[in-house]
Amino acid sequence: GESVGLHLPTLSVQEGDNSIINCAYSNSASDYFIWYKQESGKGPQFIIDIRSNMDKRQGQRVTVLLNKTVKHLSLQIAATQPGDSAVYFCAENIPGADGLTFGKGTHLIIQP
Amino acid sequence: DAGITQSPRHKVTETGTPVTLRCHQTENHRYMYWYRQDPGHGLRLIHYSYGVKDTDKGEVSDGYSVSRSKTEDFLLTLESATSSQTSVYFCAISEASIANTDTQYFGPGTRLTVL
Repeated sequence: GESVGLHLPTLSVQEGDNSIINCAYSNSASDYFIWYKQESGKGPQFIIDIRSNMDKRQGQRVTVLLNKTVKHLSLQIAATQPGDSAVYFCAENIPGADGLTFGKGTHLIIQP
Repeated sequence: DAGITQSPRHKVTETGTPVTLRCHQTENHRYMYWYRQDPGHGLRLIHYSYGVKDTDKGEVSDGYSVSRSKTEDFLLTLESATSSQTSVYFCAISEASIANTDTQYFGPGTRLTVL
């Protein structure tokens, strides 16, 4: 989900379990969405994207679900591994806006 | 980091001094962007470029200027650095415009501290 203040929401999962990270996006006219992964000290890394004419898209170990009715996006990571520990954030393209609009992120922590 | 480098990677400077950050890409992408990332905020767009010598302002452009004299280089200049500009700065590139819903790829970032 989105963060409030300076502290990001945290999701803690056991290694091997599935993770679900949520994002509430801001604009019902948004037509394109991206999930990024950001490890400490690094730049955001593209994970998967989805266009608004789809409601589900799968990649390698990741699935993005889009629910336009409630303006909700989720990222599912299967069989979570230690290397999945990072901050995950969504981005949306609002037609007419300059650049993408980014969420604040969720910190995913993998427990051994 | 999709063929994107940023320099310097870290910089400490004093209030009132000019600072220039460089973004260099080897992908020959038309669009380049500068963002800042601060705690409590998502990435915020400073300026972007849609071609050589073609630039436009983003959400938080005050106190910043940019230049793009070559496809591969996009420079961000802080005219007179202030403490509020302490941040991590990311460059991004995309092959097509956001209007065409093309993914942006990010560089490794520059951590700037203004004392």
